[in-house]
Amino acid sequence: NAGVMQNPRHLVRRRGQEARLRCSPMKGHSHVYWYRQLPEEGLKFMVYLQKENIIDESGMPKERFSAEFPKEGPSILRIQQVVRGDSAAYFCASSQAVLSPLHFGNGTRLTVT
Amino acid sequence: QQQVKQSPQSLIVQKGGISIINCAYENTAFDYFPWYQQFPGKGPALLIAIRPDVSEKKEGRFTISFNKSAKQFSLHIMDSQPGDSATYFCAARGVARGGAGSYQLTFGKGTKLSVIP
Repeated sequence: NAGVMQNPRHLVRRRGQEARLRCSPMKGHSHVYWYRQLPEEGLKFMVYLQKENIIDESGMPKERFSAEFPKEGPSILRIQQVVRGDSAAYFCASSQAVLSPLHFGNGTRLTVT
Repeated sequence: QQQVKQSPQSLIVQKGGISIINCAYENTAFDYFPWYQQFPGKGPALLIAIRPDVSEKKEGRFTISFNKSAKQFSLHIMDSQPGDSATYFCAARGVARGGAGSYQLTFGKGTKLSVIP
């Protein structure tokens, strides 16, 4: 009974490159959330998706960031033209229903050099 | 309105002692208050949660106390063990600003707990 799977665990990108972070929710979960964690900070909500739909992207920066959750395959968080300030841990969580508890993956730690 | 304030930032407790972490919120529409435990290099794991119609919830050595009128809630870890050393986050769930039927968890900034032998 696998939990939320995120890959890669660590990702290093140079400024200006693209970063793609993948998340496979727990089996039976159709709700996916992305959170960002900066050092010494709590988790900040970015986006909430259901299959093929973005439900709430109020926490996403307006530019360079996008997310998708296709009918088949993992959810993808894409960051274009990365800058040093994008360096953070990005966590994906999934839930079975809207009001069900969130289960988090182990995160992707993005470092921009 | 969406903030959750957590204290202390760090906490050192002797083995066998009681660890207490406090959180305060402003938004009276929050309807669910979970606590998460995070070990280095891992994702947050749900520890225990409470709803505002209950004043206390206990699961093993972990207890949440909830004071609705003061808009405060706290986590108590009884008989703290070195294996409890981790970062603890409180959170509160409310209706999201950006999407109909969408709920968001707002997290505190975390408390780094160290339990010394």
